[in-house]
Amino acid sequence: DSGVTQTPKHLITATGQRVTLRCSPRSGDLSVYWYQQSLDQGLQFLIHYYNGEERAKGNILERFSAQQFPDLHSELNLSSLELGDSALYFCASSATTGQGANGYTFGSGTRLTVV
Amino acid sequence: QQPVQSPQAVILREGEDAVINCSSSKALYSVHWYRQKHGEAPVFLMILLKGGEQKGHEKISASFNEKKQQSSLYLTASQLSYSGTYFCALISGSARQLTFGSGTQLTVLP
Repeated sequence: DSGVTQTPKHLITATGQRVTLRCSPRSGDLSVYWYQQSLDQGLQFLIHYYNGEERAKGNILERFSAQQFPDLHSELNLSSLELGDSALYFCASSATTGQGANGYTFGSGTRLTVV
Repeated sequence: QQPVQSPQAVILREGEDAVINCSSSKALYSVHWYRQKHGEAPVFLMILLKGGEQKGHEKISASFNEKKQQSSLYLTASQLSYSGTYFCALISGSARQLTFGSGTQLTVLP
């Protein structure tokens, strides 16, 4: 157990639907990062929150949005889902922003399948 | 800017050594290395900071060459458990988030 909790582990939904992925960071970590990993692909950065504030956006579609709540958990909302959105979505946390000496701690991911 | 990793894939026998390279077109200040087993989360291995420091983790070590803007991961006397995809990652962007390379798939055979 890495200390980063992601729910649900698996999600199957139809095209056009909306889903919410949830992440609880490791205790004490203020930064939450969301990454998308498509089949046999690398990790694509989506968005970064630090202590409730959005710090950076990567290749995140306008159909996707995220937020970090006062208790530091984060949610990634995916709407108007398309088949191409099927992927593993990882949440990672770190104590600070940027180059923490201990790297990022990843959750076990949510596997989203859009049918 | 995504770092470039080479090779894309490597197959070796238990006990053999391997080197994975990671290069950047921009100046390097730090390099992270992660390992991901199929269907699992990436796991942090080590971070190398500017200064040419070499770090180790069991029989896995890495070096950092600022001039060449390159880092290399060394796996010696590989074990079956070393199989997985290895990613290097660099700090980039205004909020200094990690940008991951495309990965090197390592397969260790008995």
